[in-house]
Amino acid sequence: GDSVTQTEGPVTLSEGTSLTVNCSYETKQYPTLFWYVQYPGEGPQLLFKVPKANEKGSNRGFEATYNKEATSFHLQKASVQESDSAVYYCALGTGYNTNTGKLTFGDGTVLTVKP
Amino acid sequence: GPKVLQIPSHQIIDMGQMVTLNCDPVSNHLYFYWYKQILGQQMEFLVNFYNGKVMEKSKLFKDQFSVERPDGSYFTLKIQPTALEDSAVYFCASSLYWGGAGTGQLYFGEGSKLTVL
Repeated sequence: GDSVTQTEGPVTLSEGTSLTVNCSYETKQYPTLFWYVQYPGEGPQLLFKVPKANEKGSNRGFEATYNKEATSFHLQKASVQESDSAVYYCALGTGYNTNTGKLTFGDGTVLTVKP
Repeated sequence: GPKVLQIPSHQIIDMGQMVTLNCDPVSNHLYFYWYKQILGQQMEFLVNFYNGKVMEKSKLFKDQFSVERPDGSYFTLKIQPTALEDSAVYFCASSLYWGGAGTGQLYFGEGSKLTVL
């Protein structure tokens, strides 16, 4: 079946430093890749998604490139802020026009950014 | 942005009892989902629902589970009877289109934490 593996947490960074959260996936179907973010007391919300191979998604300074050859979708941010403290989930959807909202999530990476 | 509301936020019940988790989806959304997250584990797909019918369910969606959305009211997940392994956070989500790929986007609620004693 489908699977997603991402950087184990927790990750603690100082403000202004760079972030990388690794994500790799396995599927035999056509993937769409997502990053979701969950702030304390809230549900997961979409950060961005990339449906096409070798394209980049970005939002709020975060970005990730869907690398089909490496089956990876690493999340990066050049300079994190305290407000970025949250749980980050990599997720996989399959079948571009046939997917029915079934996502496979990674374990989540807890990020804490200290001032 | 659009909000999905879940009621209750936390419920504690005894094993064997029935529980209903309620979800108020985004008003114009047509597709509805439940996901389950056991503490420290991945969020896992349970079921999706469209036009009054379950379209797809996972192996986690046991016979004791049921979903419905009567007359456009709450989208509910009912577990009857509950078991200890049902203790988890249950997330409801909704989308205007199928949310896994293409143009769809899932909007999640804050979760309902269920503790079965």
